[in-house]
Parts: sequence; structure tokens; C-alpha cells
Amino acid sequence: VQLVESGGGLVKPGGSLRLSCAASGFTLSGYDIHWVRQVTGKSLEWVSGIGTAGDTYYPDSVRGRFTVSREDANNFSYLQMSSLRVGDTAVYYCARGDNWNDGFFYGMDVWGQGTTVTVS
Amino acid sequence: DIQMTQSPSTLSASVGDRVTITCRASQNINEWLAWYQQKPGKAPKLLLYKASTLERGVPSRFSGSGSGTDFRLTISSLQPDDFATYYCLQYKSYSRAFGQGTKVEIK
Repeated sequence: VQLVESGGGLVKPGGSLRLSCAASGFTLSGYDIHWVRQVTGKSLEWVSGIGTAGDTYYPDSVRGRFTVSREDANNFSYLQMSSLRVGDTAVYYCARGDNWNDGFFYGMDVWGQGTTVTVS
Repeated sequence: DIQMTQSPSTLSASVGDRVTITCRASQNINEWLAWYQQKPGKAPKLLLYKASTLERGVPSRFSGSGSGTDFRLTISSLQPDDFATYYCLQYKSYSRAFGQGTKVEIK
């Protein structure tokens, strides 16, 4: 069971970037997926979630700028980030959330290794 | 939105000490709370979920308690591998929220 993020890099303020999260060892379609970021030396910040029905959720800090999506057929989730700001610089993680079908409610139990986004 | 307040922010302790970290939710989250351990440069690792259920493979010296708004993570006898930063996460609301973290340092 594994999640692997990719797509991070250096982008100028106002630019866009799309992060990918590849799932393996389990079927993504049964799970919510979350994206969490962490500025160096700071706490974890939840930045988006997508349910199995495609319902999406965001905090105010990124709503309108970030869009989460999922492609269950290929076991991927994506985070499209636009109008990027210096303050969005962080390591971005995807994490496996709840499985409503099977009744697995662990919060976020499987995490990727993270991908670094630098806005400068 | 539900806010999580975690304390202390830093904790200095010795190997063998019993340590407790607390997390307070701004509203009732029942038992929808998880605890994570994070080491530098690594992703968070799930320790406990539903406030007190130990994730498979996590040593039994870790325990969790609480419900409603007040929660505790206890390490019964601190081991060298336990020096890390710990976070709580509420998952009652779909707008997830983490605590600010507690760094457990060597005294």
C-alpha cells in the first residue's frame, strides 16, 4: 500500500502547478483522499479533500485557487494549484482518508513521501 | 471550522520518562481524533485513531484517551526512537484540522 506524489518544483508567484498522487496496493475508488502541506519547520496544514463521489473540500486559505480531483480508473489524485503565492511554498503530501464502504475511519492512515513546491 | 489546540509546543524529557501531550478541540468531535508521529524529512506516521485505538505495529507504550473536546497522548516509557514531533488531527468535520505539534526533545 503506497502513495507517491510528483509534480513539485519551482514556480513564480501567480503561476500554476499540478501535483499528482499515484496510489498502489489498494483501490483508490473506495477512499477519500486528502492533500496536506507543511512549511519547513511548521505544523501540518490540510489543504484539500475529495470524497469517493467527487465532492471536494478546501480551507479558506486555498479555496478558489486549488482544485482537487481524482481519476479512479488509473488510481490517481491531482491537486491543481493556481495563483500561487510565496506563502504556498511547502512540502505537499497526499494521504488516504476514510473508507465509507468498509467502515474504515482512521483519519489519514497512508501518506506519500511528499513533493516540494517552491514559489519564488 | 473546528480548531485544535495542542500543548505543550515543546517537551524536554529523558529516556524512561512518562510523557503526556494534550489536544483540545474547539467543539465536540466525539472520538474522531488521530495522533501522528513525524521525524525530520519524513511523512507523518499514524499512531492512534478514534482517540484510543492503536494502529497496527505501533508499540503499546503509546496510548490515547479522551472524547468530546479533550484528548491525551501518553508515552508510558520514552524510548530513544520516540524523540520526534507529534500532531493530533480531528476528522469529525470534513474540514480537517491539525494541532500545532509537540516536539519531544531529549532533556
